Amino acid sequence: DARVTQTPRDKVTEMGQEVTMRCQPILGHNTVFWYRQTMMQGLELLAYFRNRAPLDDSGMPKDRFSAEMPDATLATLKIQPSEPRDSAVYFCASGLGLAGADTQYFGPGTRLTVL
Amino acid sequence: GENVEQHPSTLSVQEGDSAVIKCTYSDSASNYFPWYKQELGKRPQLIIDIRSNVGEKKDQRIAVTLNKTAKHFSLHITETQPEDSAVYFCAAVYRGSTLGRLYFGRGTQLTVWP
Repeated sequence: DARVTQTPRDKVTEMGQEVTMRCQPILGHNTVFWYRQTMMQGLELLAYFRNRAPLDDSGMPKDRFSAEMPDATLATLKIQPSEPRDSAVYFCASGLGLAGADTQYFGPGTRLTVL
Repeated sequence: GENVEQHPSTLSVQEGDSAVIKCTYSDSASNYFPWYKQELGKRPQLIIDIRSNVGEKKDQRIAVTLNKTAKHFSLHITETQPEDSAVYFCAAVYRGSTLGRLYFGRGTQLTVWP
């Protein structure tokens, strides 16, 4: 049963530190999405990729967030410098990218706490 | 882009009763509508989906209906059980955008009391 994996599962850091979250999409999936989930904002789309190319990162604060796909098996989301308001659960999801019917499969999430 | 509204934000039902969650969308070109269930501390998981060429789809105790004219779709859970307690998210694919992006509703916290 193929699944999206994410590391780390939990991260506690101090304000100003760099945070890197990693995601391994399901093998063969060509779309990857990064979401942030908070109680107040629900599921927010931060960025997404198709065939490793960034398609939309308008949901990300550009001054501190960056998302990349170094290769087809790894997606990264970096925050530098981190701030307390970045505390949230960050989910990665992947999909096959089928026209008009793209099921997304979510990873277990990274719970980030910035003190 | 697409705008998905979801109601209610919270829903409490007695075990055995039915639960209905409703969503509306803004773009008539949207053609795929999945529903995700997220248990506390877990990842969102797809439970059922429907395409715009179908009006209703059932899978055991859950069903989804779609009204394209009115641009709304609903999740129906019958004979609810305590393990149905979770947050449910509806979503829609906006075909006018780049392939694959889902627009999510804000979620409904369903609580089933034994």
